[in-house]
Amino acid sequence: NAGVTQTPKFRVLKTGQSMTLLCAQDMNHEYMYWYRQDPGMGLRLIHYSVGEGTTAKGEVPDGYNVSRLKKQNFLLGLESAAPSQTSVYFCASSFRPTRGGYGYTFGSGTRLTVV
Amino acid sequence: LAKTTQPISMDSYEGQEVNITCSHNNIATNDYITWYQQFPSQGPRFIIQGYKTKVTNEVASLFIPADRKSSTLSLPRVSLSDTAVYYCLVGDGRNTPLVFGKGTRLSVIA
Repeated sequence: NAGVTQTPKFRVLKTGQSMTLLCAQDMNHEYMYWYRQDPGMGLRLIHYSVGEGTTAKGEVPDGYNVSRLKKQNFLLGLESAAPSQTSVYFCASSFRPTRGGYGYTFGSGTRLTVV
Repeated sequence: LAKTTQPISMDSYEGQEVNITCSHNNIATNDYITWYQQFPSQGPRFIIQGYKTKVTNEVASLFIPADRKSSTLSLPRVSLSDTAVYYCLVGDGRNTPLVFGKGTRLSVIA
């Protein structure tokens, strides 16, 4: 049982390049989330999905797109990377929250540097 | 969403009990209080959740007063491995995903 797997773990991009971060979960979770974490900023929600084929914007969605074509996968895309998108990206998943939103399972993160 | 306020950082010696208090004055009736722990270079992990009074598990205890406007995470006899960032989150999680603040950076000293 792998939990939440993020690929790649590290990536260096040049400004203007595009890339896709992949998040895969094997827990049959309905909900999936993408966060970014910058030094001293905590985690900020980029986009999330409440089920296959659905996506919604979080706190900081600009510059990112997402897709949830399969229940187990949640993709985060950067169409034209900018240095401001240098960050650590975390994916998380959960069952449909019945109370409190407890039980988010996080991946180990993707460290992205845009030069 | 209820806003939370917690100390930016705390230091403790090994073997001591550590209490981290979180303020959430505008907590709603349906909101739960959840704490996550994040080690360096890892994603956060759930450690405890409560609605009122006291909750205890193998990792920590959570104390919530009757007015629910604050909560205290208690870590008994901390060790160096408890050095991490601890996040207090308040919400019902059903309509809106949980919002992580900056957390409390706990440093345990030998």
